[in-house]
Amino acid sequence: NAGVTQTPKFRVLKTGQSMTLLCAQDMNHEYMYWYRQDPGMGLRLIHYSVGEGTTAKGEVPDGYNVSRLKKQNFLLGLESAAPSQTSVYFCASKPDSVESREQYFGPGTRLTVT
Amino acid sequence: DAKTTQPNSMESNEEEPVHLPCNHSTISGTDYIHWYRQLPSQGPEYVIHGLTSNVNNRMASLAIAEDRKSSTLILHRATLRDAAVYYCILKGIGFNKFYFGSGTKLNVKP
Repeated sequence: NAGVTQTPKFRVLKTGQSMTLLCAQDMNHEYMYWYRQDPGMGLRLIHYSVGEGTTAKGEVPDGYNVSRLKKQNFLLGLESAAPSQTSVYFCASKPDSVESREQYFGPGTRLTVT
Repeated sequence: DAKTTQPNSMESNEEEPVHLPCNHSTISGTDYIHWYRQLPSQGPEYVIHGLTSNVNNRMASLAIAEDRKSSTLILHRATLRDAAVYYCILKGIGFNKFYFGSGTKLNVKP
């Protein structure tokens, strides 16, 4: 199993440009998450999904949109990038709703907005 | 979700035990205590979790206070590879979210 993969690994955008980050998992997990991590800080939840076709807002959802059209993929979109969105983005997945289950994280996407 | 408090940084010598504390005084009876760690330039990885009883696995041990208002992650013999940021997280029933604080940065000296 590849686990959780993220595409791309690095990206530089100009202010106002748009892009989509792709997260894929091959573990048949129901739950998927998008986090951002700013320098020296912990992770903050952007959006999450509890199953195919569902999405919900997390702690910092403004400026982002998400879609979960297929169970294995969770897409994070930036419609009009801003310098404040410069960050490292992590995707994670979890098997189901059982509280004790662990989350599996991808390697991250480093995004710079100039 | 309940809040956790951890020291910003700790230092340890290689091959010595390390005790990483976490305070969670507002924990509810159904909150699980999870620990994750993040190695440099990597995504977080699961370390251990518990509810009421102490827990051991191949990576670490988790000691939970009797009143559950604090817990301690124990690395029995720190190695250089254990240098990371360690996050203590509370996970409640019905909340599909993990709230990461700023964690404890562990430095391991050779």
